[in-house]
Amino acid sequence: QSVLTQPPSVSGAPGQRVTISCTGSSSNIGAGYDVHWYQQLPGTAPKLLIYGNSNRPSGVPDRFSGSKSGTSASLAITGLQAEDEADYYCQSYDSSLSGSAAVFGGGTQLTVL
Amino acid sequence: EVQLVESGGVVVQPGGSLRLSCAASGFTFDDYTMHWVRQAPGKGLEWVSLISWDGGSTYYADSVKGRFTISRDNSKNSLYLQMNSLRTEDTALYYCAKDLGQENPSFDYWGQGTLVTVSS
Repeated sequence: QSVLTQPPSVSGAPGQRVTISCTGSSSNIGAGYDVHWYQQLPGTAPKLLIYGNSNRPSGVPDRFSGSKSGTSASLAITGLQAEDEADYYCQSYDSSLSGSAAVFGGGTQLTVL
Repeated sequence: EVQLVESGGVVVQPGGSLRLSCAASGFTFDDYTMHWVRQAPGKGLEWVSLISWDGGSTYYADSVKGRFTISRDNSKNSLYLQMNSLRTEDTALYYCAKDLGQENPSFDYWGQGTLVTVSS
């Protein structure tokens, strides 16, 4: 059971817009900690997609955007392309856990129809 | 170009030990906190451990606390994970990851991973 909750799967047709939600609690997202998003293409290592809730690293297309409100965050992908088919993970920090715990969502598999 | 190259993953019996290594290049290694993150086959990502830039602070997930030890050698631009008392549930692809450098953990570069299989 992941600390952050994501839908197991989402899908969309090429050109469409999809969103992936990430729901946390008052000890992580709701406490004001930043949310980061990672894209994992099949058979590869994760790649940072969005950091600090809504910032894109250099080289990430502006079709990808992130937002945060309350205890939740969302990743939006517009102009869906076949190459976007991947697993997406949200990540934050949780103050209720021992140590300096980074926490992940369970991941969402995006299928481009 | 930032590169992180993990090594050391093998098949090991339950109760055994293993040391993973991560060779870093393309950035000033001793400026950054470093992490290990693992992914069990067909499963999601799980943060394992972090070490501060100077090795002075280390943290662990509860699932590995007391069994795993993270360390680094800044003179060799290398990160390590000593894994003891291994369990079948430790079977995973282990990634070395560089911290973005913000207030709380996040990961801007990842290695390709090294596979640890714990099985009798």
